[in-house]
Amino acid sequence: DQQVKQNSPSLSVQEGRISILNCDYTNSMFDYFLWYKKYPAEGPTFLISISSIKDKNEDGRFTVFLNKSAKHLSLHIVPSQPGDSAVYFCAAWEYGNKLVFGAGTILRVKS
Amino acid sequence: DGGITQSPKYLFRKEGQNVTLSCEQNLNHDAMYWYRQDPGQGLRLIYYSQIVNDFQKGDIAEGYSVSREKKESFPLTVTSAQKNPTAFYLCASTNRVGYTEAFFGQGTRLTVV
Repeated sequence: DQQVKQNSPSLSVQEGRISILNCDYTNSMFDYFLWYKKYPAEGPTFLISISSIKDKNEDGRFTVFLNKSAKHLSLHIVPSQPGDSAVYFCAAWEYGNKLVFGAGTILRVKS
Repeated sequence: DGGITQSPKYLFRKEGQNVTLSCEQNLNHDAMYWYRQDPGQGLRLIYYSQIVNDFQKGDIAEGYSVSREKKESFPLTVTSAQKNPTAFYLCASTNRVGYTEAFFGQGTRLTVV
């Protein structure tokens, strides 16, 4: 049973516009969340994270929002650039235990 | 430069053979992880180790084995019992368990022929 769900397999956005990637989770023991970016045949690279005690974290063009009551987080990329085209994974730490990943969303930014 | 090295990048295995994937890190991280990536299924946890000489099964451990004899090394053996071994395998490490980012290697693509 997937505990971290990314329900949109793909997303297509025009260059310069906002990209919004969504993630839902079911495990209430998750207390720290991360977003990773991955290119084909490479390892994922860390983008941004958020603790469960916060509802927003920002780093340059990337902002992550956390809604604990809805068990939902989202990654906003503004403005989107063609180099942002990749697979984005949402991940969550189960307290003191393991790091669990979602299935990923393919983002295509069109120029 | 500090990082995680996985080798080889591509590996071919005949059915019925065991094969070992290497993962070495020089980040001085305590915890190490093995994930498997299949199309549409994201990264699924195979095994993880929070400290030397100790490891735990992840969500899909059947058909795999690991060892953690040294802090910097966490090899993964894909045994003949693994029914669908063709996949992209990723090794990762963290300096602690929780509240931190994981660093990943470049992956090993295993193909059974």
